[in-house]
Amino acid sequence: KQEVTQIPAALSVPEGENLVLNCSFTDSAIYNLQWFRQDPGKGLTSLLLIQSSQREQTSGRLNASLDKSSGRSTLYIAASQPGDSATYLCAVLQTGANNLFFGTGTRLTVIP
Amino acid sequence: KAGVTQTPRYLIKTRGQQVTLSCSPISGHRSVSWYQQTPGQGLQFLFEYFSETQRNKGNFPGRFSGRQFSNSRSEMNVSTLELGDSALYLCASRLGSGANVLTFGAGSRLTVL
Repeated sequence: KQEVTQIPAALSVPEGENLVLNCSFTDSAIYNLQWFRQDPGKGLTSLLLIQSSQREQTSGRLNASLDKSSGRSTLYIAASQPGDSATYLCAVLQTGANNLFFGTGTRLTVIP
Repeated sequence: KAGVTQTPRYLIKTRGQQVTLSCSPISGHRSVSWYQQTPGQGLQFLFEYFSETQRNKGNFPGRFSGRQFSNSRSEMNVSTLELGDSALYLCASRLGSGANVLTFGAGSRLTVL
């Protein structure tokens, strides 16, 4: 069964710092990997989606990479801002399945 | 265009009652998935519907059920509620299957007393 792990569980950084969030998965047979953001009590906002054939995707200050063979993905946030404070979740869509397997999330706090 | 709409946003029930949650997908999206989010278990897949047919089901007891209508709107029902059913229930829609991006609604927060 696919298992998705995110490290660290929580992270506090001062405003302006660059940071990396990590995601690992046990089964490399995936269609794609998505990074989501969740604000307290709210739904999920999709940030980036990387297809299994891609190595990385970029959107503004966000860059996500995927190394399928090693079962790892990273989300890089440049020049962090207080508005980036949220929980970040990664999820994989496994080949042959129609549902996402989610990690437990990293709670990010950016201190002004 | 409108996003995924879930109703109600908040509700409180007591043990033993049943509850029905509704999800309206993005126009044109035919697939609707449901997920349960709890502090202890995180986000877990409940089921997915496509063109009114359940296509995939997670590991939840039979008390959890769902359906999809011809306009792609979906409902999920939980019968004989237990305290552990307290959670944020999230609905997501996408065009079809495979690599399409899922778009999530804001969720329905259920509290069971």
